[in-house]
Parts: sequence; C-alpha cells; structure tokens
Amino acid sequence: AQKVTQAQTEISVVEKEDVTLDCVYETRDTTYYLFWYKQPPSGELVFLIRRNSFDEQNEISGRYSWNFQKSTSSFNFTITASQVVDSAVYFCALSRQAAGNKLTFGGGTRVLVKP
Amino acid sequence: DVKVTQSSRYLVKRTGEKVFLECVQDMDHENMFWYRQDPGLGLRLIYFSYDVKMKEKGDIPEGYSVSREKKERFSLILESASTNQTSMYLCASTRSQGWNQPQHFGDGTRLSIL
Repeated sequence: AQKVTQAQTEISVVEKEDVTLDCVYETRDTTYYLFWYKQPPSGELVFLIRRNSFDEQNEISGRYSWNFQKSTSSFNFTITASQVVDSAVYFCALSRQAAGNKLTFGGGTRVLVKP
Repeated sequence: DVKVTQSSRYLVKRTGEKVFLECVQDMDHENMFWYRQDPGLGLRLIYFSYDVKMKEKGDIPEGYSVSREKKERFSLILESASTNQTSMYLCASTRSQGWNQPQHFGDGTRLSIL
C-alpha cells in the first residue's frame, strides 16, 4: 500500500524564521515521483516541485529548498526567512508509474507566518 | 497556462438533493480528477476519467457518480446528498500518460449539506 505522512498538522512561526515541513512516504515501487503543492487561502493547489525516485539531488529555488533521502523515505521542504505570504497549507504527494495518474496525498501541514 | 474552472466556489444544499459540481479545463487534457479535501486527511480521490465517457473509481467513490460527455468537462454528481458529504471538492487535470506531471487544480468548491 502507498502512504504519505505529514506528521506536522500546523506550524506557527514569526516572519524571517526558517520552517521545515516533513514528508515521509511508503511505497514498494522503484519508479515514482514526489510532489509538493501549496494551497493558499484562495483554495487552488499550486505546484511547487517534483522529484523522481532516481534523483536524490537536493534542490533550491529562492527561499525554498527540498531534501530528498531515499534511505529514510523522506522528502522534506524548508522555507528560509519565511514571509507572511508563505502562510498556506502545504501538501506532499506521491505518484507511482504503476498507479497511472493517481496521486496519493499526505494530510497537509498548515503554516502560519506571523508578522 | 492551464486553466481549470469550477462552476461554484461555495454551494449550500439540503439533505437528499441531487447535486452537480462542474469542472472545465481549457488545455485539451485527457485526464481529469475529482478529489475531496477534509482537515487532516489531505486530498482523497473520488473518481477520475482518462477519456470521454471513461471513468474509474478512486479511493472513496461511494455516494458519488461522474459524467464526462466532452473532453473539457468533468462533472461530479451527488445522487442524494448527505451531511457527511460536506467538504471541499477539488477538480484537477493532466495530460495523458501524465503520471509524472503535476496535476493542475481548480479553486475548489466548498459544499455544505444542511
């Protein structure tokens, strides 16, 4: 069975603090992709990043960075120097080639950045 | 940019009513999806469609049906709405063989069943 766990349901920080969102996944497949999405208060899920199972390189995009470790089945997401606009719900998701186009989502982590 | 449009942002219906949620995408995507989002549970797949008139059950299809008569439109139907179907509903689309591609989402419909 496939599963994505985001253990943190809510994180509250003060602006400019760093925040790390944890994502742990379970799958027996060797070929899969991992995604992060952001859901601002407006409701639409916005795609942030994807990573395939054969690429363990970390990625940095501006204030966002991702750490993928197959050894611990984790794909963690860090926001550096957080801003109020980062306040949102963040979802981690797993897509397996064997499952076609179906995504398995984690429960989401709500991030609240206070000014 | 892909645009996925859901017909209503907020909807209030009564128990037992037949409810239609509509979703339209403008990028000629073959695959379309309906999810419901509940706190702590993330998004759960209700149904998806990979072509016109084709549909497959997702993880929680009970109490729902879908219709895909045209490629750009995917409808979710609550045959007889119940209070436990109060939720946020999200539509998404992606191209064929897009298992490794990000899905494109609409803004969601917040449905309340009274």
